[in-house]
Amino acid sequence: AQSVTQLGSHVSVSEGALVLLRCNYSSSVPPYLFWYVQYPNQGLQLLLKYTTGATLVKGINGFEAEFKKSETSFHLTKPSAHMSDAAEYFCAVSGYSGGYQKVTFGTGTKLQVIP
Amino acid sequence: GAGVSQSPSNKVTEKGKDVELRCDPISGHTALYWYRQRLGQGLEFLIYFQGNSAPDKSGLPSDRFSAERTGESVSTLTIQRTQQEDSAVYLCASSSPGQLISYNSPLHFGNGTRLTVT
Repeated sequence: AQSVTQLGSHVSVSEGALVLLRCNYSSSVPPYLFWYVQYPNQGLQLLLKYTTGATLVKGINGFEAEFKKSETSFHLTKPSAHMSDAAEYFCAVSGYSGGYQKVTFGTGTKLQVIP
Repeated sequence: GAGVSQSPSNKVTEKGKDVELRCDPISGHTALYWYRQRLGQGLEFLIYFQGNSAPDKSGLPSDRFSAERTGESVSTLTIQRTQQEDSAVYLCASSSPGQLISYNSPLHFGNGTRLTVT
């Protein structure tokens, strides 16, 4: 069975500070990992994804994430937070089970950016 | 091209009534998912359709919940005899263009239907 754990349901950073949102996964097969962002009253949008190859993945809006197999982690970072980054962020793992694709989401982390 | 469309965007219903939520996936997407998002919580998987295969219904919380999809087009999620605990945002997503199942394809989400049961 696969699972995702996001540490910290709420994270606050000052504008211009480093953003670090943590995600750890569990998967019995090589995982495909994703970060999604959800702005208020909207659906989720893809920020970035890891499939194979380079372990440092760059996404939209200056975000990036690093896949660390030894730590089973896929933390999301951004060097300098903007006010527009305030949103909820979800980590997800995709694999297959019994012939079905399974996409499992973490419980989300709400990012607050303080001016 | 159009994204995933969900209707209605908001639905207020009385306890005990039935509701039907609709999802129009991106054209050509073979996979379709329904998720439930309760206030302040993460995404709870409900059901998954892949092409003409039997759906994965393992996430449906009770027999009051059902979903249908005709081919690779519109899906409807029906909740019978609604309860207050059904209040949530119901999100639909589609993925996997073409006929191949692609386990690394990202999901494309609609904006959701906010269901309030009074």
